[in-house]
Amino acid sequence: DQQVKQNSPSLSVQEGRISILNCDYTNSMFDYFLWYKKYPAEGPTFLISISSIKDKNEDGRFTVFLNKSAKHLSLHIVPSQPGDSAVYFCAATSSGNTPLVFGKGTRLSVIA
Amino acid sequence: NAGVTQTPKFRVLKTGQSMTLLCAQDMNHEYMYWYRQDPGMGLRLIHYSVGEGTTAKGEVPDGYNVSRLKKQNFLLGLESAAPSQTSVYFCASIRGFRTEAFFGQGTRLTVV
Repeated sequence: DQQVKQNSPSLSVQEGRISILNCDYTNSMFDYFLWYKKYPAEGPTFLISISSIKDKNEDGRFTVFLNKSAKHLSLHIVPSQPGDSAVYFCAATSSGNTPLVFGKGTRLSVIA
Repeated sequence: NAGVTQTPKFRVLKTGQSMTLLCAQDMNHEYMYWYRQDPGMGLRLIHYSVGEGTTAKGEVPDGYNVSRLKKQNFLLGLESAAPSQTSVYFCASIRGFRTEAFFGQGTRLTVV
């Protein structure tokens, strides 16, 4: 059973607009969440994270929102740029020796 | 600073052959992981290690073995390769839980 779900396999957005990528989780023990970006033929690279004690974290154009009661997080990219076109993975972990659990990813295409 | 290096980058195996994938990190990280990425499946954890001399099974461990004899290296072995093991394999290392994971560039393995 999937513990981290990204229900949208793909998303297309126009350059300059907002991109919103969604992620849901089922394990209530998860308390730390991360987003990774992956370009073709490269390894995933860390983008932004959020602890369960917060409901928002910003880093430049990237903001992650966490709704613990809904077990939902989202990544907002504003403004979207063509270089943001990639696959985005949501990941979660918890205290203790719990490895990162990844969602299936969402392919973002930013159209110029 | 190399980060996480995977060897080899590409490999074609015949069914039944064996091979070892090497992951090396120079960041003195305690935790190391092996994931596989398949289309539509995201990143699935094969095995992981929480320190030198330790290994543990992940979500999809069957058909693989691992060893962590030195802190900086994490080896993934396929004793008898099967076409179902055709995938892209990623190694990652983490300083500690609730921190970002650093990924290698991946190994594309094809079993024919």
